[in-house]
Amino acid sequence: AQSVTQLDSQVPVFEEAPVELRCNYSSSVSVYLFWYVQYPNQGLQLLLKYLSGSTLVKGINGFEAEFNKSQTSFHLRKPSVHISDTAEYFCAVSPSGFQKLVFGTGTRLLVSP
Amino acid sequence: EAGVVQSPRYKIIEKKQPVAFWCNPISGHNTLYWYLQNLGQGPELLIRYENEEAVDDSQLPKDRFSAERLKGVDSTLKIQPAELGDSAVYLCASSPTTGGTGELFFGEGSRLTVL
Repeated sequence: AQSVTQLDSQVPVFEEAPVELRCNYSSSVSVYLFWYVQYPNQGLQLLLKYLSGSTLVKGINGFEAEFNKSQTSFHLRKPSVHISDTAEYFCAVSPSGFQKLVFGTGTRLLVSP
Repeated sequence: EAGVVQSPRYKIIEKKQPVAFWCNPISGHNTLYWYLQNLGQGPELLIRYENEEAVDDSQLPKDRFSAERLKGVDSTLKIQPAELGDSAVYLCASSPTTGGTGELFFGEGSRLTVL
């Protein structure tokens, strides 16, 4: 079975500062990895995904993530955040070739002026 | 293109009452999911459909929860009777792929409050 650990429940950061949201996963098989964002009272929206190939994945809104197989991590980064990035961010894992997403508990990003 | 549509957005009921949630996936998406999201938690899969067949319902509490996807398009999730612990957001998602992986498209969710 797969599992996801998001170590930080909340990350406060000032506007225009860089941010990293951490995600570690465990799996006995190869996996696909995802980051989703959830704005208040809305559904989840895909930020980016890793399926194969380059370990550095770029997504929407200036976010990127790096897949590190040896450390079983898929941390999300943005070099300069905006107030509008305030939201809940979920890391998710799916067994390769099988469509069953398992989500982490989420990290709330709080961007202040 | 219309997204995943869920209704109602909000529902408040007394415990022991029944409740139903409806989901219309994106046109052409043959995979449909119902997820449960408790406050401060990530979504947890309740049931996954491939067309009209429930291919993964291992996490669905079958004593009080039921779901159907007649004709392989829209779907209904029912709780009868509701308990206080069922207060949560029920998310529906759909995907155009089967077997492989891809993006899941989520609706805005149905927030249930059980009093």
